Amino acid sequence: DTAVSQTPKYLVTQMGNDKSIKCEQNLGHDTMYWYKQDSKKFLKIMFSYNNKELIINETVPNRFSPKSPDKAHLNLHINSLELGDSAVYFCASSQFRSSYNSPLHFGNGTRLTVT
Amino acid sequence: SQKIEQNSEALNIQEGKTATLTCNYTNYSPAYLQWYRQDPGRGPVFLLLIRENEKEKRKERLKVTFDTTLKQSLFHITASQPADSATYLCALLAAAGNKLTFGGGTRVLVKP
Repeated sequence: DTAVSQTPKYLVTQMGNDKSIKCEQNLGHDTMYWYKQDSKKFLKIMFSYNNKELIINETVPNRFSPKSPDKAHLNLHINSLELGDSAVYFCASSQFRSSYNSPLHFGNGTRLTVT
Repeated sequence: SQKIEQNSEALNIQEGKTATLTCNYTNYSPAYLQWYRQDPGRGPVFLLLIRENEKEKRKERLKVTFDTTLKQSLFHITASQPADSATYLCALLAAAGNKLTFGGGTRVLVKP
């Protein structure tokens, strides 16, 4: 009965390739997020969607493109992968847009390794 | 620039003692502060939320304080158990913003 599930859990690929990570939540939440956790364990927000509308778009390379086909799904597509993209990517969801009274529910991450 | 700082050194503590973690911030006017727990290979899990007009919040063996004058939150685990061993992250939601920003986390190791 996983609340926020993302696939794959591990992704090993070569530089220059294009890859996608998928995320689905069954909590009925309106807002979904992508966070990146680097080797120093800092979690940084990348994108946020509310009801399929992009509301947060941090300074990330435009090789990263999120897509939300419906409010239960938020996918992340990465073009022309680089070594520096290696990290753990977390999908999350919250009931309300600004997380005021609605904490984030995270998936278990996708560890991306670019060789 | 805005900063959220947590002690990057691991906290080693004996079972039964109280673990106290610190979250300091600068150049923020946070409306809410949240604490999460993260186990290896897993996503963060929400623990507690405290608002700027609240001084203290408790949940079972957990206690959080929020001092907007000191720009600091303290997170306490009382009667710690080995199962409490994890990384604990604080996160702030700015009053004017709509995104949650995380500190780097503090790893806690409770020894039996």
